[in-house]
Amino acid sequence: DAGVTQSPTHLIKTRGQQVTLRCSPKSGHDTVSWYQQALGQGPQFIFQYYEEEERQRGNFPDRFSGHQYPNYSSELNVNALLLGDSALYLCASSFGLNEKLFFGSGTQLSVL
Amino acid sequence: SQQGEEDPQALSIQEGENATMNCSYKTSINNLQWYRQNSGRGLVHLILIRSNEREKHSGRLRVTLDTSKKSSSLLITASRAADTASYFCATGPLQGAQKLVFGQGTRLTINP
Repeated sequence: DAGVTQSPTHLIKTRGQQVTLRCSPKSGHDTVSWYQQALGQGPQFIFQYYEEEERQRGNFPDRFSGHQYPNYSSELNVNALLLGDSALYLCASSFGLNEKLFFGSGTQLSVL
Repeated sequence: SQQGEEDPQALSIQEGENATMNCSYKTSINNLQWYRQNSGRGLVHLILIRSNEREKHSGRLRVTLDTSKKSSSLLITASRAADTASYFCATGPLQGAQKLVFGQGTRLTINP
């Protein structure tokens, strides 16, 4: 039973570029949430997708957008990258409104 | 912004000793969860306690919740080297319980 998988594991971009991160939820899960974790900090909620729609959003600018596909996989897109976007991006999945989240290993994004 | 504050920020103990970590939060919650993170990668769910519960056990873990003081504690008994990790508390708000708000974490080191 595959858990939450994220790709790529590491990514290096330059300021102003755009990036797409991908996530496949745990088998049987239909809800995907994205978190940003800066070095030495706890994760911060970006947004959540359910039934292919953004259901909840944290305090992140519109440069951060996402998508969920019919197979429940999800993408996180970040436009016009800033140095401060360097962080570990974590995807978490759950079934419906179950509060317990299963996390992937994350994508380490470095913006130079 | 982070809701939870964890105390201590770092804790170092000998194998076999008990480890206690504390978490305080600011707003009313639906639930409080504890997660473990090894080496800055994915988070692993440890335990969830609901706002109407006061104490919960899972193996060597004991969690307490005091909603009047807006605080929680995580006790790990008979610690092992494999318990070395960062531990985060996360609160689920009353509205949108899956929109977890994480603390900054406690870095726990178990010395052999």
